[in-house]
Amino acid sequence: DTAVSQTPKYLVTQMGNDKSIKCEQNLGHDTMYWYKQDSKKFLKIMFSYNNKELIINETVPNRFSPKSPDKAHLNLHINSLELGDSAVYFCASSQDDSSGNTIYFGEGSWLTVV
Amino acid sequence: AQSVTQLGSHVSVSEGALVLLRCNYSSSVPPYLFWYVQYPNQGLQLLLKYTSAATLVKGINGFEAEFKKSETSFHLTKPSAHMSDAAEYFCAVRRGREYGNKLVFGAGTILRVKS
Repeated sequence: DTAVSQTPKYLVTQMGNDKSIKCEQNLGHDTMYWYKQDSKKFLKIMFSYNNKELIINETVPNRFSPKSPDKAHLNLHINSLELGDSAVYFCASSQDDSSGNTIYFGEGSWLTVV
Repeated sequence: AQSVTQLGSHVSVSEGALVLLRCNYSSSVPPYLFWYVQYPNQGLQLLLKYTSAATLVKGINGFEAEFKKSETSFHLTKPSAHMSDAAEYFCAVRRGREYGNKLVFGAGTILRVKS
């Protein structure tokens, strides 16, 4: 009955590979997000979608492409992985994109690029 | 632009002692403020949030925070620390759509609880 679930939890891959991280929420929320936590634990938003529409797209390399097939899913595809992409990626969701709404986070996906 | 400053990247307290984690925000308009906790190898869990209803906000696990506009602060406190409180704590600020509507996090404070 996990609210925001993402897979895989751990991923080790080689430079140059393409990988995807999947995210699903069963809270009935309209808005979903991807956040990146770097090695210094700093958290920063990458993308947000509201009703499958992209509403926030931070200065993220084009190699990162989010895909939202429906309101309950927001997947992250990363092309040509680089060493600097190693981080923890958190999926999250909220009722809608109103500022006072709580954002619920998944457990994170630990990506290591070697 | 909005930002959040957490004073002290590491805080160490004895079990049973007061916990005080500091957070100051920079915002020209009243923001929404949040405290999240992250246990090792886990995701972020909301402790509490300020949405202008009351300046003293009570959260889970005995934590509370007070919004002080004059000091632009939203410090997190707990009267008596437990070993299970050891984790990393993040303060975050968010404003409305017209300001980008992003949840912006502070750098985090690691809380260590000594027995």
